[in-house]
Amino acid sequence: GAVVSQHPSWVICKSGTSVKIECRSLDFQATTMFWYRQFPKKSLMLMATSNEGSKATYEQGVEKDKFLINHASLTLSTLTVTSAHPEDSSFYICSAMLQTYEQYFGPGTRLTVT
Amino acid sequence: GENVEQHPSTLSVQEGDSAVIKCTYSDSASNYFPWYKQELGKRPQLIIDIRSNVGEKKDQRIAVTLNKTAKHFSLHITETQPEDSAVYFCAATGSGGYQKVTFGTGTKLQVIP
Repeated sequence: GAVVSQHPSWVICKSGTSVKIECRSLDFQATTMFWYRQFPKKSLMLMATSNEGSKATYEQGVEKDKFLINHASLTLSTLTVTSAHPEDSSFYICSAMLQTYEQYFGPGTRLTVT
Repeated sequence: GENVEQHPSTLSVQEGDSAVIKCTYSDSASNYFPWYKQELGKRPQLIIDIRSNVGEKKDQRIAVTLNKTAKHFSLHITETQPEDSAVYFCAATGSGGYQKVTFGTGTKLQVIP
């Protein structure tokens, strides 16, 4: 149990376009999901906390208008990178939380902006 | 906010030896401390966790200890095997209402056959 999927696994887009990443909890309901960004050989940096049915909570320094998060159901959260630029290229990972604090991660999405 | 420090950043051990990774946290209200293993290009996998009401937990070759007074916790891997090679992250869940998790900086463990 506790399987989280993420789609797409990788995406290449042109500068100025928008990209949507989906995160799904496959066998459990998650009222809370998290979005992380990970640079090569670095730790996971929390971008925002996604709560079903309410607005996401963004970490300091993360632009909410650039990284749009929607958590429309108990099994799906989406991250949209708007007007992507090369500096947005990164590995984006979501996680879904069970009620006992345990987080289970998606496989990640490699975003490359050209 | 919570600050988690992790040491060492890299660790090389001979196969069969033990490996120890240490973390400290700053928020005394933190109450959940998971450890994750991440292989290159893959997702972090929860390998063991401990809650603040427990001092030690063991699962086969892996154990975690927690010292609440000193605000530090450690991961112990015994009888290391080459497949244990990966990056390990500690984390602490603070007292925030939305259970925010703060990760350590990671330890790259290399087990030499």
